[in-house]
Amino acid sequence: GQQLNQSPQSMFIQEGEDVSMNCTSSSIFNTWLWYKQEPGEGPVLLIALYKAGELTSNGRLTAQFGITRKDSFLNISASIPSDVGIYFCAGRGGGSEKLVFGKGTKLTVNP
Amino acid sequence: DTEVTQTPKHLVMGMTNKKSLKCEQHMGHRAMYWYKQKAKKPPELMFVYSYEKLSINESVPSRFSPECPNSSLLNLHLHALQPEDSALYLCASSQEGPRETQYFGPGTRLLVL
Repeated sequence: GQQLNQSPQSMFIQEGEDVSMNCTSSSIFNTWLWYKQEPGEGPVLLIALYKAGELTSNGRLTAQFGITRKDSFLNISASIPSDVGIYFCAGRGGGSEKLVFGKGTKLTVNP
Repeated sequence: DTEVTQTPKHLVMGMTNKKSLKCEQHMGHRAMYWYKQKAKKPPELMFVYSYEKLSINESVPSRFSPECPNSSLLNLHLHALQPEDSALYLCASSQEGPRETQYFGPGTRLLVL
C-alpha cells in the first residue's frame, strides 16, 4: 500500500528560527495536505496542494507539491511559541478515497 | 465556515456500556469519515460515508457501528468496548470530487475502563 515518510520526527528550535519538514511517498500522489494538531484537539488544515510544482503560502507557512508528485515540504518562517504542535502531512493518489498520513513532526519552540 | 462539531468532548465508559459519538457539519459536504487516533500516532481511518452510504469499512470490529442519518450527521455507536479502544475519535468531512479536502472536528476523547 501507499506509505508516507515524514521527517524529521521532532524538532526543537528557538523562537524566530525557520523550520522545514518534508514528506516523501513511494508512489505518486494527486493531493498533498498539511495539518497541525495541538494536544487534545483535532488536526487543523494548514495548506492544501493539488498540482505538481504548486507553491502555496498561508501567512508564515509555505508548502510545495513536489514536481515528481512524490514529495512535499512545509516551511515555517520566524517561528513563534504558538507554532508548537504536531504537523502531519497527508496525501491521496491513485483514485483512492483514502488519505495516507505521515507519522508527524513534533515541533517545540523555545521562547 | 469549515466547522465540524463533535460531542461529547470526553467520554468514560465501562466495557458493558453502550454509548454514541456524534458528529455534525453544515458545509454541504457529502463525504464523512470516522478516524481513531492513539497518542503520538497519525489518525487511522475507520469508516467512510459517501452520500449517506457506507463506502469504506477498514475492517473495524463490530463493536463499533457507524450510522449516517442524513448528510449533515454522523454517529458512531459503541458497545462492549475494550480498554485498548481508548483513543481520540475524530470525525471529518469533505466535498466529493478530486479536490476534496478533509476538515476534522475536535475529537472525542474516549476512555474505556
